[in-house]
Amino acid sequence: EDKVVQSPLSLVVHEGDTVTLNCSYEVTNFRSLLWYKQEKKAPTFLFMLTSSGIEKKSGRLSSILDKKELFSILNITATQTGDSAVYLCAVERGGGSEKLVFGKGTKLTVNP
Amino acid sequence: KAGVTQTPRYLIKTRGQQVTLSCSPISGHRSVSWYQQTPGQGLQFLFEYFSETQRNKGNFPGRFSGRQFSNSRSEMNVSTLELGDSALYLCASRSYIGDTEAFFGQGTRLTVV
Repeated sequence: EDKVVQSPLSLVVHEGDTVTLNCSYEVTNFRSLLWYKQEKKAPTFLFMLTSSGIEKKSGRLSSILDKKELFSILNITATQTGDSAVYLCAVERGGGSEKLVFGKGTKLTVNP
Repeated sequence: KAGVTQTPRYLIKTRGQQVTLSCSPISGHRSVSWYQQTPGQGLQFLFEYFSETQRNKGNFPGRFSGRQFSNSRSEMNVSTLELGDSALYLCASRSYIGDTEAFFGQGTRLTVV
């Protein structure tokens, strides 16, 4: 059965800290891995990773995928209170059964 | 460019009733997926439609059904509602099924009493 596991489930840090969120997966016919940020309702897209070892960056956020070890990390440097959210990792299956399999998310709280 | 629009935003129904939720994807997007989000289970895939055809289905009972219209708008129907159907229902739109990111709507919060 397809599985996406995120760790930690929750994290509390202070502004300015750097955090690393983890996502490991076991999914048949891997196509891509996506990270989303969910603050209230709609998850908003952060990154899509398809190739191993290539880091994607957007401001203070970066992510990398290791297809051999089946995991990805999301780094956030110099955290701000606005980074408080649930971060979701999803893996897209291919091979005629395309769907997103989500992890349960990491709830990040950044205190001032 | 307008985002993904879901209606209604909130809904309260009684056990045994049925409900229909609507999703209008981003203009030009032809793929619409539906997800159920609950605190215990996280986001779970319900089904995906592309060009009016259901392409994939998750592990939900037959009470959950959907359809897609020629303008790519999609509806999801849940019949004989149960308390456990209370959840946030999210719809995601993609330009096509493949290597593209999915954009989510704000969701419909369904409460079954």
